[in-house]
Formats: sequence, structure tokens, C-alpha cells
Amino acid sequence: DAGVIQSPRHEVTEMGQEVTLRCKPISGHDYLFWYRQTMMRGLELLIYFNNNVPIDDSGMPEDRFSAKMPNASFSTLKIQPSEPRDSAVYFCASTARRADTQYFGPGTRLTVL
Amino acid sequence: QKEVEQNSGPLSVPEGAIASLNCTYSDRGSQSFFWYRQYSGKSPELIMFIYSNGDKEDGRFTAQLNKASQYVSLLIRDSQPSDSATYLCAVIHFSGGYNKLIFGAGTRLAVHP
Repeated sequence: DAGVIQSPRHEVTEMGQEVTLRCKPISGHDYLFWYRQTMMRGLELLIYFNNNVPIDDSGMPEDRFSAKMPNASFSTLKIQPSEPRDSAVYFCASTARRADTQYFGPGTRLTVL
Repeated sequence: QKEVEQNSGPLSVPEGAIASLNCTYSDRGSQSFFWYRQYSGKSPELIMFIYSNGDKEDGRFTAQLNKASQYVSLLIRDSQPSDSATYLCAVIHFSGGYNKLIFGAGTRLAVHP
């Protein structure tokens, strides 16, 4: 099993640019989660999907953030326009059941200049 | 009050000693509890989960849960330098109509030879 796959691993962009982060969950997992980790705020849940449907997006910081899951094997997190305070590591995780063990991808380190 | 609280550390222990990591949570209805280990620059990985009061042992790791006191701990016996990492406590928390996995800020453990 390849595990959760994320791309890119590193992204450096300038303020105002659009950023798209990608995630491929573990095959057969019905739940997909997007997290953001910073030194100040720790690991925060942004949004999660069940069977490709967004269930809870209350953690999405503002309208500049959007997430989609067009099929069971792919999800995107988009930031438009990006700001320096968006700099963080963004993790994608998946699980077969909502309250079960979550498996994390390697993360995308985003730097917005 | 934060939903999941941990001492940020660093907790420094000598090699071979027992490391004790503690976590308290605010939601009395929480049923599922997890300990994740995160090496610097890496993604969180699950070490233990516990659902019932008492102790659960897995190799050198023991998770302890006391729901009455809303307290969960992780003991690492015979600590090794390779155990040096940040340990994240996570709790399933019911909020806004959904179950979410809420992470503590993590405790940094340093095992010195």
C-alpha cells in the first residue's frame, strides 16, 4: 500500500498567487481530512469529506480556502489569493471509518512570500 | 480552556528510563483517544489508541485512560534516543454536530544517552 500521497511536497509562492495542494487517499478509505500545522496553532482540522462529500468545513479559515473531492482517489485544497500567514505544513489524512485511525500523508510545506 | 491540553515540554529523560506523557481533555463524552508520534519534519504516525478505562500495553508503550478524571497518558519504557519526537494526544470530540479528531499541541520528548 502506497499510503496517502500528497503533492507538491514543497511550495514557495508569492502573496496573491493561487496555490493548489493535492492528495490521494489510501484506496478504500471513505474519509479524507485536510489539516494545517503551524508552531503557533498546532495541528488544526480544516475540512473533511465522507464518500467525496464535504461534511464539516468549519475549520476552513476564510473564503480564500476551498477544497474539493471530485472522486474517491483525489482531493484538492486551494488557496486563492494566498497570504504570508497561510505559510504552514498542510497534511492530508484518510481513514476507513470516521472515528478510526487516521493515516497521514507526508505533508506539503507551503511558504508564501 | 483548550479541548485537549498537553505540556509542551521538552521532557528530557535519560536513555533506559520511563517517559511519562500526559494529556487532559474537556469533552466528557469523548470515547476514543489516540497517541501520535511526530518526528521533526515528518507527518504524525499513530502509536496507540485506547477506548476503555485502564491500561493498554503494546511493546514498550502503555496507554492509560481515566475517563472520570478526563485524563489519558502514554508511558514509554526503556526510552531510546530514537523515541525523541513530539507526541500528540488526540481525542474524538463532538462539535457542531460532527465527531472530529482534536489534537493537543504536543509534548516534545528528548531522550539523552
